[in-house]
Amino acid sequence: DTEVTQTPKHLVMGMTNKKSLKCEQHMGHRAMYWYKQKAKKPPELMFVYSYEKLSINESVPSRFSPECPNSSLLNLHLHALQPEDSALYLCASSQEALVAQGTANEKLFFGSGTQLSVL
Amino acid sequence: AQTVTQSQPEMSVQEAETVTLSCTYDTSENNYYLFWYKQPPSRQMILVIRQEAYKQQNATENRFSVNFQKAAKSFSLKISDSQLGDTAMYFCAFMRAYGGTSYGKLTFGQGTILTVHP
Repeated sequence: DTEVTQTPKHLVMGMTNKKSLKCEQHMGHRAMYWYKQKAKKPPELMFVYSYEKLSINESVPSRFSPECPNSSLLNLHLHALQPEDSALYLCASSQEALVAQGTANEKLFFGSGTQLSVL
Repeated sequence: AQTVTQSQPEMSVQEAETVTLSCTYDTSENNYYLFWYKQPPSRQMILVIRQEAYKQQNATENRFSVNFQKAAKSFSLKISDSQLGDTAMYFCAFMRAYGGTSYGKLTFGQGTILTVHP
């Protein structure tokens, strides 16, 4: 199984709603990532989890709250979002977060994303 | 900080022909990886090919090959025998190696939309 599964595929929410995005992988990877991609733009890193601990937060607003309940699962909790947060949210995983020569940890496997629209 | 530049917003090619996508990057690092990712309309990011900076030999994957010029900081992608399924947005990307704060962070270029015409 070399898949990263994201649910839901599409999500529409109001600015006062609370919702969650889910990401799952069963490749035994110990690093998981959230990337955000606006239309016609490249993805940008939001968070990195390594061994279920938050390693990197790229100055993301607190209305985005990541959670890693176990090594296979990554959630992104959303609350009080703004219309400008509408984007494709991509989850990815890799064997480990630390990238070193010969480790293959640089290979990220991406999910198909959740297209989020905030009204 | 690293930057990745793709100077061709859009490219087109006839089926079965060859096309080259350009990418340049800027970094002070000596150890890093370079990638080409493909994003078709399904929006999933698919790894096409990767190059380790410490290797002089250019990477190849079937119809895909790169021209890696480390001194010039250039990393172009050549697609041979183009197929309709190659139609996608192509992103060039950079990742630091040897740990530290790299932590799997990919820095992407702005992308090139490639259209393959029948």
